[in-house]
Amino acid sequence: GAVVSQHPSWVICKSGTSVKIECRSLDFQATTMFWYRQFPKQSLMLMATSNEGSKATYEQGVEKDKFLINHASLTLSTLTVTSAHPEDSSFYICSARAMGAAEAFFGQGTRLTVV
Amino acid sequence: DAKTTQPTSMDCAEGRAANLPCNHSTISGNEYVYWYRQIHSQGPQYIIHGLKNNETNEMASLIITEDRKSSTLILPHATLRDTAVYYCIVRPTTSGTYKYIFGTGTRLKVLA
Repeated sequence: GAVVSQHPSWVICKSGTSVKIECRSLDFQATTMFWYRQFPKQSLMLMATSNEGSKATYEQGVEKDKFLINHASLTLSTLTVTSAHPEDSSFYICSARAMGAAEAFFGQGTRLTVV
Repeated sequence: DAKTTQPTSMDCAEGRAANLPCNHSTISGNEYVYWYRQIHSQGPQYIIHGLKNNETNEMASLIITEDRKSSTLILPHATLRDTAVYYCIVRPTTSGTYKYIFGTGTRLKVLA
């Protein structure tokens, strides 16, 4: 299947700082990428849909000014957690779907710990 | 999107078939059934999808009832590496920017 890569795999940051997570589709172009957050022992919660060349669409309750999404190319989307706080500590996962493909593929996830 | 209902957890003996049910009684005619699984601390992995016909690939088989209100994912010979949370997702169409909404899934434990 297609490969979606996230970087970094894990990150620890201090409270109040910002963290950027990258999501790349390695062998296909993706006009749409999705960002999820997953807390321990819970399911994936969709945060936003990232569209190449346009603004992201955020799910209800997700602060767009705190979780900045940029999808500048057909192979890269970034999620920036601004002014991170301990409650933002979570597992962040992206997914991407190739144009014309039926299934979306997921990155390996990024574990963010805010101390 | 139609909601899905799955059992919270299941056990299966290694080497036996694992049958994971999913109820999607409010599914619409154009909605597809997708299955993904998530092994601990990894991103979800695509398994299979279907509309109304049964489907099979190298990983699993998908059996969809004639009324499409439920489906079963079958892992023919479960191994310890199949221990994961399995998610059944219903999604309109296979194209477009439609979201993949995850429910609570079934935690499958394959026992040695």
